[in-house]
Amino acid sequence: DQQVKQNSPSLSVQEGRISILNCDYTNSMFDYFLWYKKYPAEGPTFLISISSIKDKNEDGRFTVFLNKSAKHLSLHIVPSQPGDSAVYFCAVSGNTPLVFGKGTRLSVIA
Amino acid sequence: DGGITQSPKYLFRKEGQNVTLSCEQNLNHDAMYWYRQDPGQGLRLIYYSQIVNDFQKGDIAEGYSVSREKKESFPLTVTSAQKNPTAFYLCASSISGGSRETQYFGPGTRLLVL
Repeated sequence: DQQVKQNSPSLSVQEGRISILNCDYTNSMFDYFLWYKKYPAEGPTFLISISSIKDKNEDGRFTVFLNKSAKHLSLHIVPSQPGDSAVYFCAVSGNTPLVFGKGTRLSVIA
Repeated sequence: DGGITQSPKYLFRKEGQNVTLSCEQNLNHDAMYWYRQDPGQGLRLIYYSQIVNDFQKGDIAEGYSVSREKKESFPLTVTSAQKNPTAFYLCASSISGGSRETQYFGPGTRLLVL
């Protein structure tokens, strides 16, 4: 049974607009949440994280929002750029190693 | 320049053969991990190690083996018992393996069966 779900396998956004990627988790014991970006045939690159004591963390164009009551987190990218086209994985952590979602493929169209 | 290196980038395995994937890090991290990625799937944990000479099975350890003789190195052997080894293999490391840690990944090795 999946502990971390990214329900949208793909997303297309026009350049300059906002990209919103979503992630749901099942276990309320998870307390640290991360987003990774991955290009084909490369390793994932860490983007941004948030701990359960916060509901928002911002780093440049990237903002992660955490809704603990809904067990939901989202990554906002604004403005979206063609170089943001990649697969985005959310990952969660509690007392176990990271658990990853299946990823969402973002395509930013010029 | 600190980082994680994996070799080779591509690896071919014949039926019944064991192959070993290399992972080295110079980040002075205690914890190291091996993941497998299949098309349309997330990253699934194979093995992890939080300290030299100790390691734990992940979610899909069957058909794989590891060793951790040095802090910098965490090789993964794909044995002949692994019936579906074709995948993209990723090595990662983190400071201590505790919770609330970011893992940093190497560039990956693609394993193909001949």
